Amino acid sequence: EVQLVESGGVVVQPGGSLRLSCAASGFTFDDYAMHWVRQAPGKGLEWVSLISWDGGSTYYADSVKGRFTISRDNSKNSLYLQMNSLRAEDTALYYCAKDEGDGYNCLDYWGQGTLVTVSS
Amino acid sequence: AIRMTQSPSSFSASTGDRVTITCRASQGISSYLAWYQQKPGKAPKLLIYAASTLQSGVPSRFSGSGSGTDFTLTISCLQSEDFATYYCQQYYSYPPTFGPGTKVDIK
Repeated sequence: EVQLVESGGVVVQPGGSLRLSCAASGFTFDDYAMHWVRQAPGKGLEWVSLISWDGGSTYYADSVKGRFTISRDNSKNSLYLQMNSLRAEDTALYYCAKDEGDGYNCLDYWGQGTLVTVSS
Repeated sequence: AIRMTQSPSSFSASTGDRVTITCRASQGISSYLAWYQQKPGKAPKLLIYAASTLQSGVPSRFSGSGSGTDFTLTISCLQSEDFATYYCQQYYSYPPTFGPGTKVDIK
């Protein structure tokens, strides 16, 4: 059974930093690209970032480019999102999601999310 | 970025109804479209990919159609567990983009 478990969400002040983690199990982690998707309270889904199976390619939404960094450790079956220069508008539930393949596909499994609140 | 729109934004329906949700892309995306279901407090769940392919384990009352810019999700006989918000998503080009969602609630 595919499982994705996010962690690291907390309350942080504007301008602060945070690292989210996602622990993956139930599939061959290094065969698949991985995504982060976020959902602000009461709002829709917003794609944030993608990393290829080997970490060699990354993509970011314009809203986070230059502030967020996606990475992965295939030896630990883990995905990360380093979030810097946080803004109030980054407040959201952050989901880790598995790509169906190489990064140009739908998202076939999602974690339960970790909540990031940016507030003073 | 490709903009996705959905209609309606919300509606009420009864168990047993046939319901259709429409998704439109701002430019052609071939069949690179997925549909997700999200219930309150839960993660999104993949229902359909490649516009019309049912994800494993999804009931056959769900179906998808369309290509290019216009797509539909149909639930043939609405069940109580289907009351949720539905999102379409294009993965034709980066960044992947989601529609704003369609909330289906109980009449």
